[in-house]
Amino acid sequence: DIQMTQSPSSVSASVGDRVTITCRASQAISRWLAWYQQTPGKAPKVLIYTASTSESGVPSRFSGSGSGTDFTLTISNLQPEDFGTYFCQQTSSFPLTFGGGTKVEIK
Amino acid sequence: QLHLQESGPGLVKPSETLSLTCTVSGGSISSSIYYWGWMRQAPGKGLEWIGSIRYTGTTYYSPSFESRVTISVDPSRTRFSLSLTSVTAADTAYYYCLRHGSGALHFDSWGHGTLVAVSS
Repeated sequence: DIQMTQSPSSVSASVGDRVTITCRASQAISRWLAWYQQTPGKAPKVLIYTASTSESGVPSRFSGSGSGTDFTLTISNLQPEDFGTYFCQQTSSFPLTFGGGTKVEIK
Repeated sequence: QLHLQESGPGLVKPSETLSLTCTVSGGSISSSIYYWGWMRQAPGKGLEWIGSIRYTGTTYYSPSFESRVTISVDPSRTRFSLSLTSVTAADTAYYYCLRHGSGALHFDSWGHGTLVAVSS
C-alpha cells in the first residue's frame, strides 16, 4: 500500500493569510494526487486532482503542485469559509489511501 | 445532477453484519467510466476507503476490510450496497457512498454520510 503523510497536522491562521500544506507519498505516484476540503458536519469535497487541476467551481486561491512523492496545497488569501480539515489522497492505484489530515483553524 | 443517498440501520450489535445501501439518482451506475464505492470516517478521525465496484461487478477492496466486506450492485442498477461482517465498536463511523472515475481515482461525488454505531 502507498502511505500518505501530511504535515502539519494543524495550522492556526488568520483571514488573508497564505497557508501551505504538504503531502508525501511513500513511493512515486507521478501526479496522481487529489486534495479534499472537509468542513464540520459535511462530506469532503474535492478541490484539486492530478496534483494541480482544479475541480470546477473551486476558487482560484486554492492551488496544488508537486509530482513524484512530494506535493503541496496552497491557500492564498485565506477566507472564513476555508477553515476546516484538508486531506490528500493518492489516486495512483488501489488500495486508495489518504493522508491523516490538516486542520486549518482560526488564529 | 448526481445525487447519492445512504440508507440503513444507525445501530448494529457487535458481531453482527452492517448493511448499507446507496441510492443513485441523476446519473447511471451503468456508466463504464465510473466506480462506485464506500468510505468511512470515525468521529473526529481520518478517511478510510473501504472498497469500490464497477457496474460489471468488478470490485476492489481495501486489505483492511477484504476478509469481511462485500460491495454489490443491485440488478436495478440504481443502488449499490455495503455489507461488513463481524463488526466491533471500532467500526463505529460515518459511512459515505461515493463515485470515482476509472482512470482518475479521485472521489468527485459523495453522499451526505450516515452514522453507524456498533453497540449492544
